[in-house]
Amino acid sequence: QMQLVQSGAEVKKPGASVKVSCKASGYTFTSYYMHWVRQAPGQGLEWMGIINPIIGGNTNYAQKFQGRVTMTRDTSTSTVYMELSSLRSEDTAVYYCARGMSCSSPSCYRFDSWGQGTLVTVSS
Amino acid sequence: DIQMTQSPSSLSASVGDRVTISCRASQSISNYLNWYQQKPGKAPKLLIYAASTLQSGVSSRFSGSGSGTDFTLTISSLQPEDFATYYCQQSYSIPPTFGQGTKVEIK
Repeated sequence: QMQLVQSGAEVKKPGASVKVSCKASGYTFTSYYMHWVRQAPGQGLEWMGIINPIIGGNTNYAQKFQGRVTMTRDTSTSTVYMELSSLRSEDTAVYYCARGMSCSSPSCYRFDSWGQGTLVTVSS
Repeated sequence: DIQMTQSPSSLSASVGDRVTISCRASQSISNYLNWYQQKPGKAPKLLIYAASTLQSGVSSRFSGSGSGTDFTLTISSLQPEDFATYYCQQSYSIPPTFGQGTKVEIK
């Protein structure tokens, strides 16, 4: 069955960067877009961006994270990565990868399978 | 960005109750509305997409309706495993946005 397995929890100091991985299995990795969504403690869900696992790894980031987030993929290991830089305390959250559909139009932005989440704590 | 507003923010209900959760969009989103269930410490789970289509493997006691700006998630007969937080999400425009969540608690 399909599975998304994320890397473990991280503790970072303000100003540092964090890179979270998400390894996919049980389906054709290059057939589905991948999204990243975060959830601050006790808060709701916030979309961060999308990566196309095929064509050059094209990305589209939420304006809020432009300039601070980088999403990449490694097709040889079926893994996507999300790197967030210039961390601040407000970035403390659980970060999820979530599988999208085989298309990139807005109507395709629904998430049918999620990783287990990676807690990133930003604290001095 | 499109704002999604859910009501109520929380509710208490008993096993067997019929439960209804509302979601309102700040502009028309046609039927591009999805519902998720999240249990504590777990990732969200897709329940319904395109406002009323049940995701594969999801119990038929869940149903969705609505179009335009007003949507509803209904649980026909609440089961113990349904106590969770529910989120709506619009997929009409980028960025996709979520409601603030509705927590369903045991009465």
